[in-house]
Amino acid sequence: EPEVTQTPSHQVTQMGQEVILRCVPISNHLYFYWYRQILGQKVEFLVSFYNNEISEKSEIFDDQFSVERPDGSNFTLKIRSTKLEDSAMYFCASSEWTGEYGYTFGSGTRLTVV
Amino acid sequence: DAKTTQPNSMESNEEEPVHLPCNHSTISGTDYIHWYRQLPSQGPEYVIHGLTSNVNNRMASLAIAEDRKSSTLILHRATLRDAAVYYCILLRGNMLTFGGGTRLMVKP
Repeated sequence: EPEVTQTPSHQVTQMGQEVILRCVPISNHLYFYWYRQILGQKVEFLVSFYNNEISEKSEIFDDQFSVERPDGSNFTLKIRSTKLEDSAMYFCASSEWTGEYGYTFGSGTRLTVV
Repeated sequence: DAKTTQPNSMESNEEEPVHLPCNHSTISGTDYIHWYRQLPSQGPEYVIHGLTSNVNNRMASLAIAEDRKSSTLILHRATLRDAAVYYCILLRGNMLTFGGGTRLMVKP
């Protein structure tokens, strides 16, 4: 079964550093998403991306965050200057069309900011 | 936000059916009802979704009330691998809003 692949599985970074989280969505999917889950808390929506632009974003997704699809397969989330509170699991997801067809999530990147 | 209400936790015995309820009294006509589950240390996993009619797939069945204000996810024979947090979500726009879900515990 097709999968959404995320790398790395775990990243440790110093506060103030930039990090890039990478995702390879399912190849025929058109919508891409980032969600995050702080330890012990709910899964939170960050951003959705379609046709090379952001279609929706949450209040969490401020100027420190950006997304990009640099080539035909990768989808990245960049955090410019990490803060301690950015420590979380970050999940990438993709869907074939709008989400009424169901989303496929990756297994996540655990980001630890020290 | 499109709000859903689920019990915090449920228990089931292995090999028995499980009915996971969800209330969504503020549902609007175009909201799809989605169910996802999250196994420990994993990302959310799509289970099933529907709009008005009951739905079946290889993982589960979804029973939707006639007025669409509630739904029930049915696992026909629970296994230990079904122990997870199950989320009932109304898809509005293109964004999943996760609540706390129901933690399903399966006893051998």
